[in-house]
Amino acid sequence: TQLLEQSPQFLSIQEGENLTVYCNSSSVFSSLQWYRQEPGEGPVLLVTVVTGGEVKKLKRLTFQFGDARKDSSLHITAAQPGDTGLYLCAGVGPNAGNNRKLIWGLGTSLAVNP
Amino acid sequence: DAGVIQSPRHEVTEMGQEVTLRCKPISGHNSLFWYRQTMMRGLELLIYFNNNVPIDDSGMPEDRFSAKMPNASFSTLKIQPSEPRDSAVYFCASRKDGIMNTEAFFGQGTRLTVV
Repeated sequence: TQLLEQSPQFLSIQEGENLTVYCNSSSVFSSLQWYRQEPGEGPVLLVTVVTGGEVKKLKRLTFQFGDARKDSSLHITAAQPGDTGLYLCAGVGPNAGNNRKLIWGLGTSLAVNP
Repeated sequence: DAGVIQSPRHEVTEMGQEVTLRCKPISGHNSLFWYRQTMMRGLELLIYFNNNVPIDDSGMPEDRFSAKMPNASFSTLKIQPSEPRDSAVYFCASRKDGIMNTEAFFGQGTRLTVV
């Protein structure tokens, strides 16, 4: 069974601080996605990483896919209150075939205090 | 496009009653997913349709749950009879499958409370 473990589960920081959240697995994924979910809404895709070692930047957010495609990290620089939300990682297994369902982590709940 | 549309947004029902949740996927998307989200278990995939055909229903909890997709623009998730432990937020998501495309677009969810 493929599992994605996210850490930390909860994080509360002050505006302006930097932070990193992690998504780890013992399994290989063909691609991995990061979503952000705000209260009362569904998750919204932030980024997809596909290649081992890949780094993608989205303004103050930096995403990295591990060389072995088993793990990923999300780093936020100078966090702002608008970054508050639940950050979810999701992956597609390498042998998904026709069943390309996403495997989801439980998420990191981030609170950025003004 | 209006995005994935779910109805109702909130549902409060008594134990034993039938509950039907509805979803209209984004036009042109050929995959549809029903998820359940709780604090304890996170986002759980219930069932996944591709081109209106159920591909994976291994996440459907038990026979009380059923899902249909009669056409490309509509799907329902039914719980009969409902139980308090079914209380959760239910999300529908759709996706336009491509070789490298796995982005899922979510609706706003239906918050179900069974009392």
